[in-house]
Order: sequence, then C-alpha cells, then structure tokens
Amino acid sequence: NAGVTQTPKFRVLKTGQSMTLLCAQDMNHEYMYWYRQDPGMGLRLIHYSVGEGTTAKGEVPDGYNVSRLKKQNFLLGLESAAPSQTSVYFCASNGQGATTDTQYFGPGTRLTVL
Amino acid sequence: GEDVEQSLFLSVREGDSSVINCTYTDSSSTYLYWYKQEPGAGLQLLTYIFSNMDMKQDQRLTVLLNKKDKHLSLRIADTQTGDSAIYFCAEMAGGYNKLIFGAGTRLAVHP
Repeated sequence: NAGVTQTPKFRVLKTGQSMTLLCAQDMNHEYMYWYRQDPGMGLRLIHYSVGEGTTAKGEVPDGYNVSRLKKQNFLLGLESAAPSQTSVYFCASNGQGATTDTQYFGPGTRLTVL
Repeated sequence: GEDVEQSLFLSVREGDSSVINCTYTDSSSTYLYWYKQEPGAGLQLLTYIFSNMDMKQDQRLTVLLNKKDKHLSLRIADTQTGDSAIYFCAEMAGGYNKLIFGAGTRLAVHP
C-alpha cells in the first residue's frame, strides 16, 4: 500500500514548455485534489475531482488543466508554463464522506519555470 | 470568503510547551485540522477536532477550540527537536471535503 505517489519529484521547465504531473493513489479514494504551495501562502487548491471522469475548479485554476480518466490517477497539466507557476505541487486524496479521515498527501513535486 | 490565519513563526526551547494559534472565518466548518509538514515532505495529519467539541487531547497534543471567537490552538507538551516543522491549520469548507489552509507556522525547537 503506497498511499499517494507523485511523479516526477523535481522538474525544471523553460517558459512556454508544457508538462504533466501524475498523481496516483491505491486507497480506492473517490476524491482527489491538486494544490500548490508557495512561501507564506499555505496550500491553495488548483483543481479537484469527486470521481472518475469528473473535475472541478478550485481557488487558483488558471493556467492548469486536469483529467481523471482512471479512479486511481489524477493528472495536472501545464500547457504553457510561466515563471509564476514555480511552486511545490501536492496531490491529495480522500475517501468519499470520510471527513474524519481527511486528506492523504503525496510527497510533492518541486517545479521551477525559468 | 473563507480565510484561515496563523502566525508564521514560533521558537521554543526543548522541553517547553509550544502553542500554535489559528483563526478561521467559516462558522459552518464542521471539522478543523492540524497538519505537520517536515522539510521536503508532504503534509501529515496530526489531529482534528469536530466543531461541537471544546478540547481534544492526544498524547502530547492538545487542541482547543473556541467556536465563538473562531479560534483554534494546538499545544505540544514537552516539545522535542523532532517537532521542528511547519504546522498548518485547516478548516473543511465548501463541500467535497475541501480544505482551506492557513499559511503555516514554522516551529523551531532549540536546546
């Protein structure tokens, strides 16, 4: 049982390049989330999904797209990276209705956009 | 909208108690959480409290909730160097178990 895993761990992009971050969970969770963490700002929700085939916008969705083709995977895409997207990205998952179980987090992806 | 605020830094001596404070705005929040983040790692759930509780104790951790003032605190007794980390307060808000996080309090423990 690996929990929540993220690929890659580190990445450096040039402005305008694209990339996809992969999140995988093996806990059969319905809900999955993508956050970004910036110094002094805590975690902000980018997009989330409440089940396979569904996605919804969070607090800071601009410049990102997501897909949830399989229940266990949640992909975050940057079509044209900008320096403002330099951040640490965290994926999390949560079982539907399991409020006391709250969210399980992956180890993060550190992205630098030059 | 919802907002969660915390002080950014706390320094304590090893063996002393640490108290990390948090204020939140959404009075309908049913659960409030404390997460710990060690360097280079993701967030780990430390403890949570249901909104109809005033206090919850879990070994060295004590959570106090003042719902009237929308104030949450985390007390760590006998603080150790291994407690050095960033601590995030979070409230559940907006459905689908979404969380609103504070900016995090960096706890530094010195000998």
